[in-house]
Amino acid sequence: QKEVEQNSGPLSVPEGAIASLNCTYSDRVSQSFFWYRQYSGKSPELIMSIYSNGDKEDGRFTAQLNKASQYVSLLIRDSQPSDSATYLCAPSPHQAGTALIFGKGTTLSVSS
Amino acid sequence: GAVVSQHPSRVICKSGTSVKIECRSLDFQATTMFWYRQFPKQSLMLMATSNEGSKATYEQGVEKDKFLINHASLTLSTLTVTSAHPEDSSFYICSALRGEAYNDQSNQPQHFGDGTRLSIL
Repeated sequence: QKEVEQNSGPLSVPEGAIASLNCTYSDRVSQSFFWYRQYSGKSPELIMSIYSNGDKEDGRFTAQLNKASQYVSLLIRDSQPSDSATYLCAPSPHQAGTALIFGKGTTLSVSS
Repeated sequence: GAVVSQHPSRVICKSGTSVKIECRSLDFQATTMFWYRQFPKQSLMLMATSNEGSKATYEQGVEKDKFLINHASLTLSTLTVTSAHPEDSSFYICSALRGEAYNDQSNQPQHFGDGTRLSIL
């Protein structure tokens, strides 16, 4: 059973700052990771996926993966109040067609 | 993009009522759909995996006779909560995987519906 550890937060940052969200995992077999954002009362939405070691940038978001350290992170630059949500990290399943398993996620609060 | 439609978005009904929730993939074929449940301040909990044309696979502790899943086509899965009681009140969310081949299907993201908030009085 994969285990994903995220600091539940809340992580509070001022508007315009960089928010850093971290995720560690225990399963060395995991090949890729997904970051989902979930607003309160809403369903998760995919914001980024990362498959290779290193950084992947998409607009204000940068995902970082270090498979040797079993660590994945999400950086949000120029944080906005609209970024306030819970961010979920999920490793890809071993077997195609099986479900993502989510932890509790990290709640981010961006103050204006 | 991959769009998943879930209906209804909210249900309020009396105890003992059965409630059906539909999950549709609008612009792709979904051979596999998943049903999750989320209680307030909790993480998403996988309830079952639904494969088109076969019986659903339920997670441990989920009553298959209470939560009936039907995946009769490549674009539609339904979850029926039978004889719902107040403890079944929760946020139910479906998600879908595309049916077409990927180089590595385990790297497919899941696409979520908007969820159904079920309140049993």
